[in-house]
Amino acid sequence: GAGVSQSPSNKVTEKGKDVELRCDPISGHTALYWYRQSLGQGLEFLIYFQGNSAPDKSGLPSDRFSAERTGGSVSTLTIQRTQQEDSAVYLCASSLVWAGGDGYTFGSGTRLTVV
Amino acid sequence: QKEVEQNSGPLSVPEGAIASLNCTYSDRGSQSFFWYRQYSGKSPELIMSIYSNGDKEDGRFTAQLNKASQYVSLLIRDSQPSDSATYLCAVRGGGFKTIFGAGTRLFVKA
Repeated sequence: GAGVSQSPSNKVTEKGKDVELRCDPISGHTALYWYRQSLGQGLEFLIYFQGNSAPDKSGLPSDRFSAERTGGSVSTLTIQRTQQEDSAVYLCASSLVWAGGDGYTFGSGTRLTVV
Repeated sequence: QKEVEQNSGPLSVPEGAIASLNCTYSDRGSQSFFWYRQYSGKSPELIMSIYSNGDKEDGRFTAQLNKASQYVSLLIRDSQPSDSATYLCAVRGGGFKTIFGAGTRLFVKA
């Protein structure tokens, strides 16, 4: 596609429910990243995928968080048993090359509110 | 110590002035440096990247890198009200992960 597409754009869920966030990167971009941004805060790294390599999961805050990337394209971030502190904007980004100086193209984000 | 540090601001400059945004980082092995602009309620967008010491100019924007001092800056010349946003400094080391600073809020007064 022309840009990084994320869905849903907004999600309100009850505490304890599971949620799935979807990211469709730019066609041909081999690297995909998930970040989250709490209100007024910077970007917190969660996980990245590069081609068929094992993902770097070092930023996932707990085992309630998981992500997968199917066919080297679409990625899903799953949060199980959501807590109020999970409320944030979840941003997906992709880039063409995995090494060197390419910056990211971000999607418009999913705003998650846990009530 | 945070890995990437920025003054949170807000930085307020009059229209037409030069805005100077600064960033320091802790990982001496960092290789790639970026500046992103984020308007309120929007996603970050890449405006500058720099990889070697010195200055890099692109239109009204100049990025400056000093690896010895672990310092990156962004200068915005002839600042416009439309430049009012949060500017995020981002640093990538030898791996794939990019670390973002918390951002500096810039206000350009008309």
